[in-house]
Amino acid sequence: RKEVEQDPGPFNVPEGATVAFNCTYSNSASQSFFWYRQDCRKEPKLLMSVYSSGNEDGRFTAQLNRASQYISLLIRDSKLSDSATYLCVVSTDSWGKLQFGAGTQVVVTP
Amino acid sequence: DTGVSQDPRHKITKRGQNVTFRCDPISEHNRLYWYRQTLGQGPEFLTYFQNEAQLEKSRLLSNRFSAERPKGSFSTLEIQRTEQGDSAMYLCASSLVTDYGYTFGSGTRLTVV
Repeated sequence: RKEVEQDPGPFNVPEGATVAFNCTYSNSASQSFFWYRQDCRKEPKLLMSVYSSGNEDGRFTAQLNRASQYISLLIRDSKLSDSATYLCVVSTDSWGKLQFGAGTQVVVTP
Repeated sequence: DTGVSQDPRHKITKRGQNVTFRCDPISEHNRLYWYRQTLGQGPEFLTYFQNEAQLEKSRLLSNRFSAERPKGSFSTLEIQRTEQGDSAMYLCASSLVTDYGYTFGSGTRLTVV
């Protein structure tokens, strides 16, 4: 079983709509949680950290459910530029080693 | 230079040849990581340096792979006797000790033919 599992998608989303997706992680000792964004053939870039109380960054909202070991990302008012692969990332170490999911592809259509 | 630099961007090599990649992290970052990413997968951890010390290596890093960070600045990743299964994007990232903010380089895409 992979440490971080994601629905690969693609999630096809009309421009302006809301899309949400989850990932699950297997290690209950995971300490830190992130969403990264990766455009085709580019490097991953940090989108946002995920805190236990949930957090927002503009149109993006992340939630963490430690009891069920899942993390969610919601994108409101989707833009064409939101089309990308979203990587769910967790860390169980104090020195920063990250475990990446395989990514969820989001395609925003006009 | 405010980002992580990797060189070369692309490398095509014949099976059995050795290849070496270079990573220049953000200058004040003392943590440096190497990851490998294949098509349709997320990045997989290979190894980690804090300053010049290599503190962790993944089981993915077979004895054909070696990484160095001789002066705690740039790092090199060498693959000896390349195999077709080594074809992947090799990503370098750096961060500060007290900061989880990874910055990735643009990667080196290796194709073994």
